[in-house]
Amino acid sequence: GIQVEQSPPDLILQEGANSTLRCNFSDSVNNLQWFHQNPWGQLINLFYIPSGTKQNGRLSATTVATERYSLLYISSSQTTDSGVYFCAVGGYNQGGKLIFGQGTELSVKP
Amino acid sequence: GAVVSQHPSWVICKSGTSVKIECRSLDFQATTMFWYRQFPKQSLMLMATSNEGSKATYEQGVEKDKFLINHASLTLSTLTVTSAHPEDSSFYICSARVWLWTSGMTDTQYFGPGTRLTVL
Repeated sequence: GIQVEQSPPDLILQEGANSTLRCNFSDSVNNLQWFHQNPWGQLINLFYIPSGTKQNGRLSATTVATERYSLLYISSSQTTDSGVYFCAVGGYNQGGKLIFGQGTELSVKP
Repeated sequence: GAVVSQHPSWVICKSGTSVKIECRSLDFQATTMFWYRQFPKQSLMLMATSNEGSKATYEQGVEKDKFLINHASLTLSTLTVTSAHPEDSSFYICSARVWLWTSGMTDTQYFGPGTRLTVL
């Protein structure tokens, strides 16, 4: 099956700093999503981005499908950005199933 | 839109009892829902795919007789953990598959808030 690797596993930032999270995947995908899991366990959709670039406020994401990686950028981080960021991918003809990476745990300090 | 609820949010039960967890799509119909479990400090592991009106498809290594899934309507899927044991203690999360057409087709999953199961 498709392997998904995220880096770094942990990240500590001062409020206001910028960061880049990376997601590598081992095979072609037709689905890639970024999620934020808050401290209460709720997963929040950030981006559906199997290719290209999208921006939403302080967050943006880029997926280079031909090179099998995706990047999530967080600018001017805030303490509320803390939590775990997951990249999840879906292969062709997989019925919408997603395979999750191990996540990046982000802690933003005031 | 695309709100998914789960009930209960947490449950504590004795070993040997069965526990039912409900997953509802509140403002849309979901033909396909997914069930995951997550251990502390770990990622989500897909347990099964639940399709309305048909039998669930289980991932390799997941006991279908232990984790009973029913998707009887377009807004409700249930997961029953039968004869629960302490090793079944975990965070169970459901999601609903949503197709949208907004400047291109998107195929996303929206997640419920999760159910924390503790088996004593």
